[in-house]
Amino acid sequence: ETGVTQSPTHLIKTRGQQVTLRCSSQSGHNTVSWYQQALGQGPQFIFQYYREEENGRGNFPPRFSGLQFPNYSSELNVNALELDDSALYLCASSLGGLAGGEQFFGPGTRLTVL
Amino acid sequence: AQSVTQLGSHVSVSEGALVLLRCNYSSSVPPYLFWYVQYPNQGLQLLLKYTTGATLVKGINGFEAEFKKSETSFHLTKPSAHMSDAAEYFCAVTIREYGNKLVFGAGTILRVKS
Repeated sequence: ETGVTQSPTHLIKTRGQQVTLRCSSQSGHNTVSWYQQALGQGPQFIFQYYREEENGRGNFPPRFSGLQFPNYSSELNVNALELDDSALYLCASSLGGLAGGEQFFGPGTRLTVL
Repeated sequence: AQSVTQLGSHVSVSEGALVLLRCNYSSSVPPYLFWYVQYPNQGLQLLLKYTTGATLVKGINGFEAEFKKSETSFHLTKPSAHMSDAAEYFCAVTIREYGNKLVFGAGTILRVKS
């Protein structure tokens, strides 16, 4: 069974650029959640996708957008990058989005915005 | 809205000593509570969770936590620390209506001294 994978591992962008981060969910999982973890802080919920539809969004501006594909993999897109977008971006997959359900996290993508 | 406070950003214990990591939550409705561990350059791994039922929850690697409604707490303990326990620990909360969209605390870095 393959776990959650994310790509790339690291990347560096400059202010104003756009970035796409990718996540492959664990086999059999239909739900993907994205979190932003700034240095020294806990992860913050960005949004969740369930069966290709957005299923909840945290307090992030519209320049943070996402997609989920028929194979349940997902992308996080960030436009007009700002310095404060520098963080570790975590993807988590689960089977459904029920409150007691376990989420399986990938290793993250570390984004640095210069 | 739900929130989590983790008391102590850094905790240091000797190998073999008791580990106690503190977590207090805020929620107006019954919470679902989680503890995750994060090793360097890795994603989050679930240690244990409380949904309903028994308030003392046992998890992996010898950790356990007790849900105390009257104290709005969910402290994580382990009777005897091992060097391999050195990591960052996150407490998280959600409620049934929010599904598995988690609100995390800021984390506690556990150092284990030999």
